[in-house]
Amino acid sequence: EAGVAQSPRYKIIEKRQSVAFWCNPISGHATLYWYQQILGQGPKLLIQFQNNGVVDDSQLPKDRFSAERLKGVDSTLKIQPAKLEDSAVYLCASSPLRGISTNEKLFFGSGTQLSVL
Amino acid sequence: DQQVKQNSPSLSVQEGRISILNCDYTNSMFDYFLWYKKYPAEGPTFLISISSIKDKNEDGRFTVFLNKSAKHLSLHIVPSQPGDSAVYFCAAKSGSNYQLIWGAGTKLIIKP
Repeated sequence: EAGVAQSPRYKIIEKRQSVAFWCNPISGHATLYWYQQILGQGPKLLIQFQNNGVVDDSQLPKDRFSAERLKGVDSTLKIQPAKLEDSAVYLCASSPLRGISTNEKLFFGSGTQLSVL
Repeated sequence: DQQVKQNSPSLSVQEGRISILNCDYTNSMFDYFLWYKKYPAEGPTFLISISSIKDKNEDGRFTVFLNKSAKHLSLHIVPSQPGDSAVYFCAAKSGSNYQLIWGAGTKLIIKP
């Protein structure tokens, strides 16, 4: 079974530039998450999708971050414009559809390491 | 406001001995706890979990203990192997709130 795919693996940009990350979840997984992990901290949820609908985006800085999940499969996360503090690893995860209240585990991709200079 | 704390940034253990990783939480509403393991340049992978109705869960060399009164859980790895060298994250959630709250992680180093 293929895992969660993310690209690119690394990205270096200057502040105020734009950047986009792509995620392809495990086939059949309806729930998709984007996490931000700053060095030395645990992952922080940015946004959660159930199919192509947003379940939670309360911690997404909406003035500069946006995400979409067209057709309930692939997803893209965009930052525009980037700030120095956006330097982090951006992790995508997916989980099977069983309802948002179940205690099911998440499957993570390898992440995109973003450096903003 | 850190609701889940892993106070040891790193831990070094001799191969074959027991590794004990600790996690404290402040939210008494948390009722499900998970441990994830992360190798460099990879995403976290699920290791073991425990519900608040239990105080122990075992899976092979890995055992998680939960002390609700102390709001503390620990992960025991026996015996420790070189492949266990990784960063271990503790995470927690409450009721129907699907959002996981993560600790900062503990880097475990297994010495040969």
